Amino acid sequence: NAGVTQTPKFRILKIGQSMTLQCAQDMNHNYMYWYRQDPGMGLKLIYYSVGAGITDKGEVPNGYNVSRSTTEDFPLRLELAAPSQTSVYFCASRGAGAGYEQYFGPGTRLTVT
Amino acid sequence: AQSVTQPDIHITVSEGASLELRCNYSYGATPYLFWYVQSPGQGLQLLLKYFSGDTLVQGIKGFEAEFKRSQSSFNLRKPSVHWSDAAEYFCAVGAAGYGGSQGNLIFGKGTKLSVKP
Repeated sequence: NAGVTQTPKFRILKIGQSMTLQCAQDMNHNYMYWYRQDPGMGLKLIYYSVGAGITDKGEVPNGYNVSRSTTEDFPLRLELAAPSQTSVYFCASRGAGAGYEQYFGPGTRLTVT
Repeated sequence: AQSVTQPDIHITVSEGASLELRCNYSYGATPYLFWYVQSPGQGLQLLLKYFSGDTLVQGIKGFEAEFKRSQSSFNLRKPSVHWSDAAEYFCAVGAAGYGGSQGNLIFGKGTKLSVKP
C-alpha cells in the first residue's frame, strides 16, 4: 500500500523556470492538499481539492496552480519560479466524512536559485 | 479565525524524563485536534487525534494528549522519552462540520524536540 507518493524528492530550479510537482494517492480519497513548509513557520496550505475537477485556493496560492483530473492525482504547477518558492512541499489526502485525518507524502525539497 | 499556538520552539529533555508539549488553539466551534510528528527529512505522521468524548486520548509510540476546553489547550505528553522521539511535533486544528473547506487543518509552527543521552 503506497499511500501518498510525491515526485521528485529534490529539485533545483533556476529563476523563471517552471515545473510540476507530482502527487498521487491510492486510497481513493476525495480530498487532497498541497502545503509548503518553511523553517519555523509550520505548514501553510497552498491549494486543496474536494474531488476530481474541483479545486480551491488555500492560504498562500500566489505563484502556483493545480488541477485535479482524476481522484488519484493532484499535481502542483510552479510557473516562473522565484527564490521565495524555495521550500519543502507536502501533499496530503484524506477520506470523506468525520475524522479529517490527513495522510502525508514524503515531501519534495525545492530550491530556486 | 482559527489559529494554533505552540509556545515552545525548541525543547531539550533527557532520555527517560517526562515530556509535555504545549498547544493552544483558537476556534469558536467544536474543534478537531491533532498531533503530528515529523522526523528529519520525512513527512508528517499522525500521533493522535481528538474529536469528542473522553478528553484524554492515547496515541502511538506511548504518547497521550488531554483536551481542556476551558483552557483551549491540547497538550501532548509522554511519561518517558526515548532517543528516537527526537523530531519536530506539530499541533493542528480542524473545523467540525461539512462543506468544501471543512476539515482543512491549521497547523502550529511546531516544537522541535531534542533528547539528551
